[in-house]
Amino acid sequence: AQKITQTQPGMFVQEKEAVTLDCTYDTSDPSYGLFWYKQPSSGEMIFLIYQGSYDQQNATEGRYSLNFQKARKSANLVISASQLGDSAMYFCAMREDDRGSTLGRLYFGRGTQLTVWP
Amino acid sequence: GAVVSQHPSRVICKSGTSVKIECRSLDFQATTMFWYRQFPKQSLMLMATSNEGSKATYEQGVEKDKFLINHASLTLSTLTVTSAHPEDSSFYICSAGQGLAGGPGTDTQYFGPGTRLTVL
Repeated sequence: AQKITQTQPGMFVQEKEAVTLDCTYDTSDPSYGLFWYKQPSSGEMIFLIYQGSYDQQNATEGRYSLNFQKARKSANLVISASQLGDSAMYFCAMREDDRGSTLGRLYFGRGTQLTVWP
Repeated sequence: GAVVSQHPSRVICKSGTSVKIECRSLDFQATTMFWYRQFPKQSLMLMATSNEGSKATYEQGVEKDKFLINHASLTLSTLTVTSAHPEDSSFYICSAGQGLAGGPGTDTQYFGPGTRLTVL
C-alpha cells in the first residue's frame, strides 16, 4: 500500500485566493513526521512545513498551514493568499520513527501541480 | 538555513561513460545523505541512503554496481553512474540531514538543487 497519497494531479487557483492541497498517509508507527515540499520548474526541493505526529497544534509557517487530522490520517496543505510564484509541484512526504536516533528516509507522494493564475 | 549543493547541475555524456555527481552540505555536518532519482512529472524515488563512513544502503531494484555511492566525509557524498546508458537519463537529487541536534523530530532533510543527467 502507498504510504502517501496525493489525489490531485493538478490544481488551479486565482491569485490572492486560498487553496488546499490534499494528502493522506498510511502508517502503523505511532511516531511519524509529515512534510510538504515545493518543487518549482528549476527542480530544487524547497522545504515548506513540518508536522510531528505528537504535535497538538497544526503547524503554520507564514502563508502555509498544515491541516492535520490524525484520525483521518490526512495532512492537507493550505496556502493562503496565493501568489503567482506559488505555481509549482507540491509534494507531501512522511518519515516514520520520527523520534528515532537516526535520520529516517522520506516517503513521497506523487505530487500536485499547482497553477496560480492572475 | 542549511544549504546543500550539487555539482554539476547538468551533464551530458556519451553512452558507456561514467559520471560522478557530488553532494555537499555547506554549513552543517550531514551524518546521513540520501540519493533520489526523479523522472519527468513523477515523484522522487529513493535510490540509496548514505551514512558517513559506512556502506550505502540501496533500495530494492537499484543496482549497487551501477550506482556507486561514497560518503567519505560529513560534508560530501558522491554518486557515480557507471557505464551510463540512455535509460539512466534522469534528474538526480541528493538530500542531507543534520541528525537530531535540535531534538526529536526537529531535523529536516535539506535538498540539493539536483543534477540533470542526459546520456546520448
